[in-house]
Amino acid sequence: DAGVIQSPRHEVTEMGQEVTLRCKPISGHNSLFWYRQTMMRGLELLIYFNNNVPIDDSGMPEDRFSAKMPNASFSTLKIQPSEPRDSAVYFCASSNRGLAGELFFGEGSRLTVL
Amino acid sequence: AQSVTQLDSQVPVFEEAPVELRCNYSSSVSVYLFWYVQYPNQGLQLLLKYLSGSTLVKGINGFEAEFNKSQTSFHLRKPSVHISDTAEYFCAVQGGSEKLVFGKGTKLTVNP
Repeated sequence: DAGVIQSPRHEVTEMGQEVTLRCKPISGHNSLFWYRQTMMRGLELLIYFNNNVPIDDSGMPEDRFSAKMPNASFSTLKIQPSEPRDSAVYFCASSNRGLAGELFFGEGSRLTVL
Repeated sequence: AQSVTQLDSQVPVFEEAPVELRCNYSSSVSVYLFWYVQYPNQGLQLLLKYLSGSTLVKGINGFEAEFNKSQTSFHLRKPSVHISDTAEYFCAVQGGSEKLVFGKGTKLTVNP
């Protein structure tokens, strides 16, 4: 079975550039989560979708970050403009039980902003 | 609000030794508790979970955890570790309609 698929796996960009991270959740899962992982802050929930609708975006750092889920099989996380402090590993996860239950994580997108 | 504290950031052990990774939580409501494992350059995967019922929960790869409500703990244990258990382990709590909250993680290093 295909798991959560994220792309790109690695992205190196320069400050000020737009970055788009992509995620394909597991088929049949109705909840999708974007997390950011850094050494300093650990694992932070950025935004959570249920049935393609954003439910909680209180973790989105600032207006430079935006996320969309146009359909049940695709989501994007965009950073515009990017800054060096955005360097982190970004994980997408999906679930079929909303906030409760097991999250299935992708392998992550490692972003480096120079 | 709920929170999770993983008491040890790093735990080094020798192969075949027992290990316990500690996790304490705080929540004003009943909780679900989870342990996730992250191998290098990979995403997290579920090791085990407590939703209700028996307080001793068995997971994959020989790990188990015990839910202790009075001590608000959910420590992870394995009687004999292997080199392949080297990874980072995350405790997580979810209570009521609140979102899942992860601890800072414990890096387990198993040495030969």
